[in-house]
Amino acid sequence: NAGVTQTPKFQVLKTGQSMTLQCAQDMNHNSMYWYRQDPGMGLRLIYYSASEGTTDKGEVPNGYNVSRLNKREFSLRLESAAPSQTSVYFCASSESGGTYEQYFGPGTRLTVT
Amino acid sequence: AQRVTQPEKLLSVFKGAPVELKCNYSYSGSPELFWYVQYSRQRLQLLLRHISRESIKGFTADLNKGETSFHLKKPFAQEEDSAMYYCALGRAGSYQLTFGKGTKLSVIP
Repeated sequence: NAGVTQTPKFQVLKTGQSMTLQCAQDMNHNSMYWYRQDPGMGLRLIYYSASEGTTDKGEVPNGYNVSRLNKREFSLRLESAAPSQTSVYFCASSESGGTYEQYFGPGTRLTVT
Repeated sequence: AQRVTQPEKLLSVFKGAPVELKCNYSYSGSPELFWYVQYSRQRLQLLLRHISRESIKGFTADLNKGETSFHLKKPFAQEEDSAMYYCALGRAGSYQLTFGKGTKLSVIP
């Protein structure tokens, strides 16, 4: 049981390049999330998917797109990377929303130069 | 709007001393509150949530609706408690968790 997995672990992009962060979970969870973690800012929700086939904006969605490919996979795309998107990105999943525990992936450290 | 405030960025205590990590929240409805912890080189994980009212690794947290607080406490700190702690606020039926900025706990041997 791998839980939540993310690829890649590290990535360096030049301004304007695009990339997709991949996330998969093997816990049969309905809900998945993408957060960014910045020093002194805590975790901020970018997008979430309450269930397969749905996605919704979180607190900081600008500059990102997501795809819930199936129940297991939830990807985050940066179409035109900017230095302000330098951050650590975490994917999480939960059985549902509200009081359910969120399980986190190991994170992707992204640097945009 | 929901807001979570953790007033201390860094908290240093000696081993064996009591620990209190503060968390205050702003929300007009009925809150769901959590403490998440991130140990060095490990992923973020749930420590405890207010609805279960349990003690995990010696930590407890009580929801005080009058003071809108959910402080995390442990009577005797251990070195292995050194980590980053995040308080998080949700609400029933919502998928959005609002995290505080985190408090780094350092337990001095």
